[in-house]
Amino acid sequence: QKEVEQNSGPLSVPEGAIASLNCTYSDRGSQSFFWYRQYSGKSPELIMSIYSNGDKEDGRFTAQLNKASQYVSLLIRDSQPSDSATYLCAVKESSGSARQLTFGSGTQLTVLP
Amino acid sequence: NAGVTQTPKFRILKIGQSMTLQCTQDMNHNYMYWYRQDPGMGLKLIYYSVGAGITDKGEVPNGYNVSRSTTEDFPLRLELAAPSQTSVYFCASSYLGAGNYNEQFFGPGTRLTVL
Repeated sequence: QKEVEQNSGPLSVPEGAIASLNCTYSDRGSQSFFWYRQYSGKSPELIMSIYSNGDKEDGRFTAQLNKASQYVSLLIRDSQPSDSATYLCAVKESSGSARQLTFGSGTQLTVLP
Repeated sequence: NAGVTQTPKFRILKIGQSMTLQCTQDMNHNYMYWYRQDPGMGLKLIYYSVGAGITDKGEVPNGYNVSRSTTEDFPLRLELAAPSQTSVYFCASSYLGAGNYNEQFFGPGTRLTVL
């Protein structure tokens, strides 16, 4: 059973700080990695995707991938109260069912004004 | 583009009743998915489809059925509803081609309660 693990939180950071969200995965051959943001009562929204080792930046968001250590992280700089949400990590595995994503259970982030 | 749309938004069923959750996408995506999300949990894949006429089971298919007669539509059928099927159901779609990495886009969800 392939697994994607996230700390459930809640993670609280003050406004303006850097929020760091982490995710580990069990399938060493995983190819693609995604971060979704989900506000309470809403559907997941894709905010970042990363496919190669290293960092990928998009505005205040930076995704970091380390395939050797099997972890992917999301940094949110200058956190805002509007960033308060649950963040889901998703991984595309290397198995024959490569059409599927495996989701972590999410980390709840609260940004305090 | 409307993206991925789902109906209904909310539904209450009695044990043993049946219903169909509708999902439509207008992005010409070839892949479509049904997930369920229980409180505080991640998304569990129920069924997926790689194109019209082709469907396959996901992680939790028992108690559900799907069909895909067109590229746009992917309805999910619940037969003999049970309390364990109380959940939020999300439909998603993606386009997979050469070099594409399965970025999935989600509909707004259907909140289902079985009493």
